[in-house]
Amino acid sequence: GAVVSQHPSWVICKSGTSVKIECRSLDFQATTMFWYRQFPKQSLMLMATSNEGSKATYEQGVEKDKFLINHASLTLSTLTVTSAHPEDSSFYICSARDRNSGRPSYEQYFGPGTRLTVT
Amino acid sequence: RKEVEQDPGPFNVPEGATVAFNCTYSNSASQSFFWYRQDCRKEPKLLMSVYSSGNEDGRFTAQLNRASQYISLLIRDSKLSDSATYLCVVTWDNFNKFYFGSGTKLNVKP
Repeated sequence: GAVVSQHPSWVICKSGTSVKIECRSLDFQATTMFWYRQFPKQSLMLMATSNEGSKATYEQGVEKDKFLINHASLTLSTLTVTSAHPEDSSFYICSARDRNSGRPSYEQYFGPGTRLTVT
Repeated sequence: RKEVEQDPGPFNVPEGATVAFNCTYSNSASQSFFWYRQDCRKEPKLLMSVYSSGNEDGRFTAQLNRASQYISLLIRDSKLSDSATYLCVVTWDNFNKFYFGSGTKLNVKP
């Protein structure tokens, strides 16, 4: 149980275009989803936290108009990188948590990640 | 200053060796602490939680020192399969904030 999927796993796009990444919880309802970005040999950086049905809370320094997050249902959150540039090339990972499951609050289940390359 | 800092390594050790990693954190309000393991180009996986009293899971022992604001991970009898990057994670705000260290790379050699 507790599987999180991401789609696509790898995307290459041209500079200036927008890319949407999907994060799905397959066998549980994700009341909270987190979006992270990881550059090579660096740590996962928390970008934003989203709770189903409400606006995402962005970390300091993350542009909310550039990284659009939508958590419209309990099983799906999307991250749209708008007007992507080469510096946005990174590994984007989502994680999901179900606070209603009775499981520990700290448990978060990670998706396999999406590698974005902007040319 | 980074929220969580780790020695990036790599730590190159022979099979059977004991190896220890440390991690320091800056926010004294941090509530909970974890070690994750991340294999190359894969998602992180929870290894263990870290409690003030220290906790052990097989060959892995984790310790927390709140006064000095660091946590540690000890791996005994290293296996080849232990080769990975170990991420220190600190949370606060009732688990609404998770901050990852940049990771310590471990290479266990035959």
